[in-house]
Order: sequence, then structure tokens, then C-alpha cells
Amino acid sequence: DFVMTQSPDSLAVSLGERATINCKSSQSVLSRSNNKNYLTWYQQKPGQPPKLLIYWASTRESGVPDRFSGSGSGTDFTLTISSLQAEDVAVYYCQQYYTTPRTFGQGTKLEIK
Amino acid sequence: EVQLVQSGGGLVQPGGSLRLSCAASGFTVSTNYMSWVRQAPGKGLEWVSIIYNSGGTYYADSVKGRFTISRDNSKNTLYLQMNSLRVEDTAVYYCAREGASGSYVNWGQGTLVTVSS
Repeated sequence: DFVMTQSPDSLAVSLGERATINCKSSQSVLSRSNNKNYLTWYQQKPGQPPKLLIYWASTRESGVPDRFSGSGSGTDFTLTISSLQAEDVAVYYCQQYYTTPRTFGQGTKLEIK
Repeated sequence: EVQLVQSGGGLVQPGGSLRLSCAASGFTVSTNYMSWVRQAPGKGLEWVSIIYNSGGTYYADSVKGRFTISRDNSKNTLYLQMNSLRVEDTAVYYCAREGASGSYVNWGQGTLVTVSS
């Protein structure tokens, strides 16, 4: 199984500052056939289901603010929030969909400093 | 509008059974990849099972042989039959639809399953 490891486990950032969350896969999620990374990011707020933010590692889902961006390829990926807003307080998860079983990172809790 | 409405959670004793339902609207369950994902209290997301549009299924090792994913095309509904439940199966269970990208674009509201004596 692909193991997804996020860092850090928790993060406190001041409003308006940049937040960076990392995700490392135990195996490459880059498909040679279409040159796409099968890596996605979700945001989860308390009492709610996860919400899709980013897919194909760097494509923003419709309606997601452009302060959210994804980067990386192969085994190493990053979710960046360019200017933290109060409503961004949540837990963020990466997930690979390169293969089954799908696997999630353990989550990163983002708070306001 | 795409909606996934879940039902069927509750309290069950260890060794018992429960069936979760996920009624879909706005799309056809049988032409999509549909999954169950769970979240133990205060913990992260854990993938549980998938049913492909072909009807093929796959399970996490933790539930293999105990859980069965299925769908009723006439009701446009996804199910998760859970047998031989264990305390460690206690979680909020979500159904989810994979979009064209392969990411989970739609999620149910979640249903709590508590396994306790």
C-alpha cells in the first residue's frame, strides 16, 4: 500500500501569513501515461465532511479561493495557503488515488497564531 | 445538484451487524466509482471500500471479509453491510463519489456507527 506522510502534524500561522503543508508518498503517484500526479488535497472543518481543494496535485477545484495552491511531483507535494484567513482553520489531508487502496495522510491541523 | 444522503448508523454491540445507506441524486451511482471512508473519533480519514462502475469491489484489509459494499441501481443507492463489528470500527462513515479526476468530489453528511457493549 502507498503510505502518505504529512508534515507537520499541526501548524499555527498568523492571519495574512503563508501556510505550507507537506505530503510525502512512499511511492511515486506520477503516471507515465498521462504525466499526471494522482494526488489530491482536502480541507475538513469540525463536524463537516471533507471538501475537495486540489486535484492532479495542482489543479484547484471550482470555487476554491486562489490563495490555495498545490505543487510537487512524484513523491513530494505541498499545499500552500498564500495569505491565511480565519476561515482556513481546519484539518488538511492529502490522498493518493494512483492505486487502490486509496490512502490518506494523517492530517495537518492548521490554527491561527 | 449532486447530493448524497446517508442513513443507517447507530449503536451496535460487538459482533453485531449494521447496514449503511447512501441515497444519491443528481447523478447515477452505477456509472461512477463510489467509496466509503471512515473517521474514528478525533482521528484522521481512513479509506474503507470502493465499488467501480464495472461492479468490481475492493476493501481495506481492516474490513475485508466483514464488510460488503453494494449498490441498488433501481434506487440509485450505495450500501455498506457491516458484519462482525468490532469496537475499533466505531467511526463516522462517509460515502463519497469520485469525479472524473479521481478525487472525491462529493461526500455524504456522514453517519456515526458506535460499537460498544
